[in-house]
Amino acid sequence: QKEVEQDPGPLSVPEGAIVSLNCTYSNSAFQYFMWYRQYSRKGPELLMYTYSSGNKEDGRFTAQVDKSSKYISLFIRDSQPSDSATYLCAMSAGGSTLGRLYFGRGTQLTVWP
Amino acid sequence: EAGVVQSPRYKIIEKKQPVAFWCNPISGHNTLYWYLQNLGQGPELLIRYENEEAVDDSQLPKDRFSAERLKGVDSTLKIQPAELGDSAVYLCASSFVIAVSGELFFGEGSRLTVL
Repeated sequence: QKEVEQDPGPLSVPEGAIVSLNCTYSNSAFQYFMWYRQYSRKGPELLMYTYSSGNKEDGRFTAQVDKSSKYISLFIRDSQPSDSATYLCAMSAGGSTLGRLYFGRGTQLTVWP
Repeated sequence: EAGVVQSPRYKIIEKKQPVAFWCNPISGHNTLYWYLQNLGQGPELLIRYENEEAVDDSQLPKDRFSAERLKGVDSTLKIQPAELGDSAVYLCASSFVIAVSGELFFGEGSRLTVL
């Protein structure tokens, strides 16, 4: 079992829809949680970062972390065709593995006009 | 500000041949990472440098892979000899310090095909 599980999709939604993406993990040492967006044939770029549990909002994006359930989510409101990409969750622990990110396999999202 | 630059973007080689990838990180970034991304998978860390020192190379297959970061700036990742299973995208990333917040800046990757 991988440390980070993510449904690869694909997920296809109409423009304006609310999108929900999520990941589960098994390592209780993870403290830092991130969402990256990766366009086709490009490198990942950081969208959201959350430390420990709680919610964080940035424009149309909301990240949620529930450490008790080992579950993280990313919500996209008013989705746009430009949001079409692969969304990767990532997480890291402190201590000796500080700086090592563990990624999910990514969820491919298509937003159609 | 220039981003992380990688070359070559694409490389096709036959198995057992050597191959090398080059990375130029963002100016001033002390920490450099090489990640491997297989098709349909998330990136996996191969090696992390802090300045010139490789501080996390536990996932680097040292029998055929090697990396260096001379003078704490550019880095090269080498595979010798390449195997069919090495076909993947090799991503380089950098950060100012250890990216606790996850803010790694990735390059566009070097896509390797081994025939």
